Amino acid sequence: DTAVSQTPKYLVTQMGNDKSIKCEQNLGHDTMYWYKQDSKKFLKIMFSYNNKELIINETVPNRFSPKSPDKAHLNLHINSLELGDSAVYFCASSQPLLSGNEQYFGPGTRLTVT
Amino acid sequence: AQSVTQLDSQVPVFEEAPVELRCNYSSSVSVYLFWYVQYPNQGLQLLLKYLSGSTLVKGINGFEAEFNKSQTSFHLRKPSVHISDTAEYFCAVRGLNRDDKIIFGKGTRLHILP
Repeated sequence: DTAVSQTPKYLVTQMGNDKSIKCEQNLGHDTMYWYKQDSKKFLKIMFSYNNKELIINETVPNRFSPKSPDKAHLNLHINSLELGDSAVYFCASSQPLLSGNEQYFGPGTRLTVT
Repeated sequence: AQSVTQLDSQVPVFEEAPVELRCNYSSSVSVYLFWYVQYPNQGLQLLLKYLSGSTLVKGINGFEAEFNKSQTSFHLRKPSVHISDTAEYFCAVRGLNRDDKIIFGKGTRLHILP
C-alpha cells in the first residue's frame, strides 16, 4: 500500500485554466504539507495542515487554495494557472514535527502550464 | 530562524569510491537535522536524522552522517558508492520550537561515474 499518494502524476494544461491535485495518506498522520519543487530542484513549503487546520501558509499567491476534508486528505486547487506555476508539487505527511519526526513524501505531480 | 547550506550543487564520484556531501546549518538554538534522498522522478525519502545523543548517525543504504556542533555541520558520507546511489540529496534542519518549520537545503546531485 502506498503511504502517501497523489493524483494525477502528470498534469498538462493551458494558461488561465483551473486545476486540482489530490493527496491522500494512510499513515494516520495528523499533519500534511504541500511543497513546490522548481526546475532547479529547490524545495519550498507552501502550506501545512494539522488535523484539518491550516498552520503554515507561506507567501503563496492566493490563486493557490488548499483544502483538507479530513486529516487523511489534503488537496491543492490552483486558479488561473500561469507559466510560472510549472513545477513538481509534492504532498507530504508527518506526525508532530516537535518530536523530530520525519516527513513522508508522495511521488509528486509534474504540472506543465503551456 | 534556521538556515541550511549545501556547499556543492553536484558531486561527481567514481563507482566504489567514497563520497562526502557537505551540509552546514545556522541556528541560535538546538536543532534536529535530516538528510533526504530523491531518486529520479520520485519523492523524497529519509536517509537518516539526528535528534540528540551520539553524533554519528547511521542511515539506510550504507550512509552515515556526523553532527558537529562547533562546526555547525552535518556532512553525509558513504565509504563506497554504487550506480544506484545516483540521486539528489537534501539536507534539512528544524528548530525545537513548536512553530518551527523544516528548512531544506538546495540539494546536491550525486553523479556516479562508471
